[in-house]
Amino acid sequence: QQQVKQSPQSLIVQKGGISIINCAYENTAFDYFPWYQQFPGKGPALLIAIRPDVSEKKEGRFTISFNKSAKQFSLHIMDSQPGDSATYFCAPQGGSEKLVFGKGTKLTVNP
Amino acid sequence: GAVVSQHPSWVICKSGTSVKIECRSLDFQATTMFWYRQFPKQSLMLMATSNEGSKATYEQGVEKDKFLINHASLTLSTLTVTSAHPEDSSFYICSATRRTGGSQPQHFGDGTRLSIL
Repeated sequence: QQQVKQSPQSLIVQKGGISIINCAYENTAFDYFPWYQQFPGKGPALLIAIRPDVSEKKEGRFTISFNKSAKQFSLHIMDSQPGDSATYFCAPQGGSEKLVFGKGTKLTVNP
Repeated sequence: GAVVSQHPSWVICKSGTSVKIECRSLDFQATTMFWYRQFPKQSLMLMATSNEGSKATYEQGVEKDKFLINHASLTLSTLTVTSAHPEDSSFYICSATRRTGGSQPQHFGDGTRLSIL
């Protein structure tokens, strides 16, 4: 049973555009919803995260939107830059310290 | 931000060799550390959870005698791949959390690329 479904698998955006990555989950015990960014040959780095008591969180160009009833959360990257080209993972967590990773989205931002 | 250091970053060795990978939390005490394995173009797969002073908890399908984990202090966990074979070649990544219990951010090392000839 796949607990986390991340889409799209890959995404190509022009510089300055908006990148949107979605994550759907099944486990209602999840209470922490992070997005991780991974560059080739590196470990993932926490990009932004949200708790379920709010529906949106913005940090600079990055925004998480959270829809508890739909069991979905998404990452929006405004004014996308070539330096944002990376693989992004949603990895909700709850009830334990384990992260449940999505399959990842490879984002390419063309100059 | 929190820093997790992983060493070595890259290792190549002959089949049958045992390889030790270190994971250190540099600026915080990590009560819990995690070890992941990642194949090319795939997501991270949790191998085991390592708690300081106790035995590691392995995920289903992970051979505990093959992948030995030691968490001897609050800042160091090690993964030893025993008698490594080419199929063990992969990218191994550790992470650490500052506190126990519940949902906490994980801070990742930069990974170790293991190549077995």
